[in-house]
Amino acid sequence: DAGITQSPRYKITETGRQVTLMCHQTWSHSYMFWYRQDLGHGLRLIYYSAAADITDKGEVPDGYVVSRSKTENFPLTLESATRSQTSVYFCASSEWSRKGAGELFFGEGSRLTVL
Amino acid sequence: SQQGEEDPQALSIQEGENATMNCSYKTSINNLQWYRQNSGRGLVHLILIRSNEREKHSGRLRVTLDTSKKSSSLLITASRAADTASYFCATVLTGGGNKLTFGTGTQLKVEL
Repeated sequence: DAGITQSPRYKITETGRQVTLMCHQTWSHSYMFWYRQDLGHGLRLIYYSAAADITDKGEVPDGYVVSRSKTENFPLTLESATRSQTSVYFCASSEWSRKGAGELFFGEGSRLTVL
Repeated sequence: SQQGEEDPQALSIQEGENATMNCSYKTSINNLQWYRQNSGRGLVHLILIRSNEREKHSGRLRVTLDTSKKSSSLLITASRAADTASYFCATVLTGGGNKLTFGTGTQLKVEL
């Protein structure tokens, strides 16, 4: 199906474990983003990517690693999960625009609980 | 720190009434966008307004932008129960490329 899909949708893990959240888009959008959503903080940008092999930090990158070897995939890895990383994670994509960011298309989210 | 702050944090109205949400931001922007999020779902884009525009309409939505006051408002006319959701403003900073910074959102409840 066309669109942007995230997996897993729900994940429970333990402190110290490595977790990878997957994101796949079928539009060939240049830009992809990872946000986390927490009560009282809205959405905060973790990492983003302008194209394959180009990634950059957002507002809250500590404890996260990303890669983008293919345009359509943008996995987010928590190398050693902490309780403070319990959150809902959203992946999004957009086309490049020289007028600045256009519409973001969001996945349905991955709810991560770190025990 | 949040670039955009929505006001009010929560709003409860009756079906058929208008709902107004406000967004204030801190620094110069390229454009401002509004998104809706239904409970447990991803965000959906509603409307985009550029820094050189003052007002924009889309169906029952009306967005205004006042760059001198660094504020925007989203008006939903003739609200329906299906409009119950959280609404977020997001800004693209001048020189910020293609990154969006989101506010904390307004929770709208439309009661029958």
